[in-house]
Amino acid sequence: KQEVTQIPAALSVPEGENLVLNCSFTDSAIYNLQWFRQDPGKGLTSLLLIQSSQREQTSGRLNASLDKSSGRSTLYIAASQPGDSATYLCAVNDYKLSFGAGTTVTVRA
Amino acid sequence: EPEVTQTPSHQVTQMGQEVILRCVPISNHLYFYWYRQILGQKVEFLVSFYNNEISEKSEIFDDQFSVERPDGSNFTLKIRSTKLEDSAMYFCASRSDGITFSGNTIYFGEGSWLTVV
Repeated sequence: KQEVTQIPAALSVPEGENLVLNCSFTDSAIYNLQWFRQDPGKGLTSLLLIQSSQREQTSGRLNASLDKSSGRSTLYIAASQPGDSATYLCAVNDYKLSFGAGTTVTVRA
Repeated sequence: EPEVTQTPSHQVTQMGQEVILRCVPISNHLYFYWYRQILGQKVEFLVSFYNNEISEKSEIFDDQFSVERPDGSNFTLKIRSTKLEDSAMYFCASRSDGITFSGNTIYFGEGSWLTVV
């Protein structure tokens, strides 16, 4: 059974600092990995999808890396802003999405 | 931008009652999903649906649950006899295909909060 772990569980940084969010998974037989943002009481907004054959994917200030063999992905958010405050979820796709518990980010103005 | 829409946004129901949660996936998407998130817990997979049939389901998705695509636009989740532990946020999701890069992205709705009392 796929287990997805996200570290740290929470992170508080001053505005402008770069964010590094980590995700690890136990079974490397995946199709892709998707990063989501979740605001309190809201739905999941897709941020990035990275295919199993890719090592990196970028969208604006976001960059996701994937090391499938070691079961790790990292989401980098450059120059954080207060509007980036949210919970970030990593989800591994092996026919279905298996989610981590998320990293709750607070960006202080 | 196209989005997955869900109704109702909130529902309170008595234990033992039947509940139907409704979803309109993104037009021309082919794969449909239900996930749920119990308060403070991880998002969990319930069921996937393709070509008018269930393609995969989790152990959570027992005989109390059913899904249906009654017409070309709606996708519903029915809980036959609700229990207290069914209280959760239920998310509908969809994706277009498994071929193109963009077709692998799964899009989620805003969720339906279900409270069973």
